[in-house]
Amino acid sequence: GIQVEQSPPDLILQEGANSTLRCNFSDSVNNLQWFHQNPWGQLINLFYIPSGTKQNGRLSATTVATERYSLLYISSSQTTDSGVYFCAVVPGSARQLTFGSGTQLTVLP
Amino acid sequence: NAGVTQTPKFQVLKTGQSMTLQCAQDMNHEYMSWYRQDPGMGLRLIHYSVGAGITDQGEVPNGYNVSRSTTEDFPLRLLSAAPSQTSVYFCASSSPGQGRYEQYFGPGTRLTVT
Repeated sequence: GIQVEQSPPDLILQEGANSTLRCNFSDSVNNLQWFHQNPWGQLINLFYIPSGTKQNGRLSATTVATERYSLLYISSSQTTDSGVYFCAVVPGSARQLTFGSGTQLTVLP
Repeated sequence: NAGVTQTPKFQVLKTGQSMTLQCAQDMNHEYMSWYRQDPGMGLRLIHYSVGAGITDQGEVPNGYNVSRSTTEDFPLRLLSAAPSQTSVYFCASSSPGQGRYEQYFGPGTRLTVT
């Protein structure tokens, strides 16, 4: 099956810093989503981005489907950004998500 | 819209007991799925459904049963609970309109099997 690798596995930032999270996938995809899992365990949809670039406030994402990677940018990080960020993809022949193992982000005040 | 709802939020079972985790969505989505999340890991697909009356297995189906009699509901049954099934369970739904498979997740059920 498709492999989804996220890096870095852990990231610690001071409040106000910027960061870039990466997601590599091993095959073509129909769908790519970024999620934030907050400390209470809730999964929050950040972006649906199978290709191209999107922005939502301090967050933006870019997917280069031909090179099989996606990047999530967090600018001016806040303590509320802490949690785990997951990349998940729907492979070309499938209909359900395959998740990466996540990036654990800790933002210190 | 309530979106995707799950009950209960927490459950403790003894080994060998059975139970049903409930999932409902009010977005008229055709696709529904169940995932489990173990500590420090991403979510893994248990079972999914592409419409009422149609279900299929995912990556980790053993020990679980599903059925889909309506578009709105997709219950997950644990037949004989085992400690290895201690996990957080998430239900999701999506609609494949225009080739999108954007999935929306419920709040999760935290299950402990002793």
